[in-house]
Parts: sequence; structure tokens; C-alpha cells
Amino acid sequence: IAGITQAPTSQILAAGRRMTLRCTQDMRHNAMYWYRQDLGLGLRLIHYSNTAGTTGKGEVPDGYSVSRANTDDFPLTLASAVPSQTSVYFCASSETGVRTNEKLFFGSGTQLSVL
Amino acid sequence: AQRVTQPEKLLSVFKGAPVELKCNYSYSGSPELFWYVQYSRQRLQLLLRHISRESIKGFTADLNKGETSFHLKKPFAQEEDSAMYYCALSGSNSGGYQKVTFGTGTKLQVIP
Repeated sequence: IAGITQAPTSQILAAGRRMTLRCTQDMRHNAMYWYRQDLGLGLRLIHYSNTAGTTGKGEVPDGYSVSRANTDDFPLTLASAVPSQTSVYFCASSETGVRTNEKLFFGSGTQLSVL
Repeated sequence: AQRVTQPEKLLSVFKGAPVELKCNYSYSGSPELFWYVQYSRQRLQLLLRHISRESIKGFTADLNKGETSFHLKKPFAQEEDSAMYYCALSGSNSGGYQKVTFGTGTKLQVIP
């Protein structure tokens, strides 16, 4: 059972370039999330999707976009990368996205460096 | 608004010493609290949640609504406990969906 798969594992990107971080889950979870992890700031929600076809903005959505064409995939796109987007990005999912006692399942993360 | 505060960025303890990782929260409704752990080179994973009232790897956490706290405790630290620990609060957003807010994390370092 793979759970959540993220790709790439790491990436160095020139500022101004476009980049898509991929996230795929095989658990048929309704809800998916993108977080960024920064030292001293913890995990901050970028975007989320409660079900296929719907997305929403989290705490720090500027400069990022997402799509949810189907249940399994939830790509995160940086249209024009800036150095402040250097971070570790985690994709996560939860079964229904409605019950507040559900745990989150996480991917292994993507280390992104924007130069 | 929901908020989680972890006041310590780093906590260093000796092996065998007691551990307490602090977590305070702010939430207007009835919160669901969690502790997640990230071991070196591993993905973030659930350690325990208050609703289960369980002890995982010797860790426990009690929800204190009066003090709005959910501190993580272990009586005797082990070297394998060294990791990054995140406290998280799960509530509902305006649309009725789950919204999870994480604290800034505490790195636990257990000294042999």
C-alpha cells in the first residue's frame, strides 16, 4: 500500500520558473491538503480540496494554485517561483474531510529550493 | 479563529528523564487535539489523539479545557524519541469541513 506519493523528492528551481509538485493517493480519500513546512513556522496550509472538483484557499495561498480533477491526484503549481517559496512541501489526505476527529495521512515531502 | 501554540522550539533531556512537550490552543468550539511526530527522514505521522485516550510508545496527553492545553508527556525518555513533534487542532471551517491547524513544532533531543 503506497498511501500518498509525492514527486519530485527534491528540486532546485530558478526564480521565475513554473513548477508543479505532484501528489497521488491510493486510499480513495475525499479530502487532500498541501502544507509547507518552514523552520520556526511549523506547517501552514496552502490549499485544500474537500472532494474531487472542489478546492479552497488555506492560510498562505498566494503564488500557488491547485486542481482536483479526480479523487487521486492533487497537484500544486507555482506559476512563477520566488525565493520565499523555498520550503518543504507536504501533501496530506483524510478520509472524509468532514469529521474533525480524522487523522491526516502525509506524503514524504518535496524539498524545493528557489534560487 | 483556531490557534495552536508550542512555546519551545527545542527541548533537550537526558535519557531516562521525564519529558513534557507543551501545547496550548485557542478555539471557540469543542476541539479535537492531536500530536503528530516526524522522525528523522520519515514522513509526518499521527502519534496520538485525545479522543482515543491512548498511550502510544509510552506517551500520553490529557486535554485540559480549563487551561486550554494538551501537553505531551512521557515518564522516561528514550533515545528513539528524538524527533520533531507537532501539536494539531482539528475544527470545522465555515463550510463545515475539517480544518487542521498545526503548532510551530518542538524538536525533542534525547541525550544518551
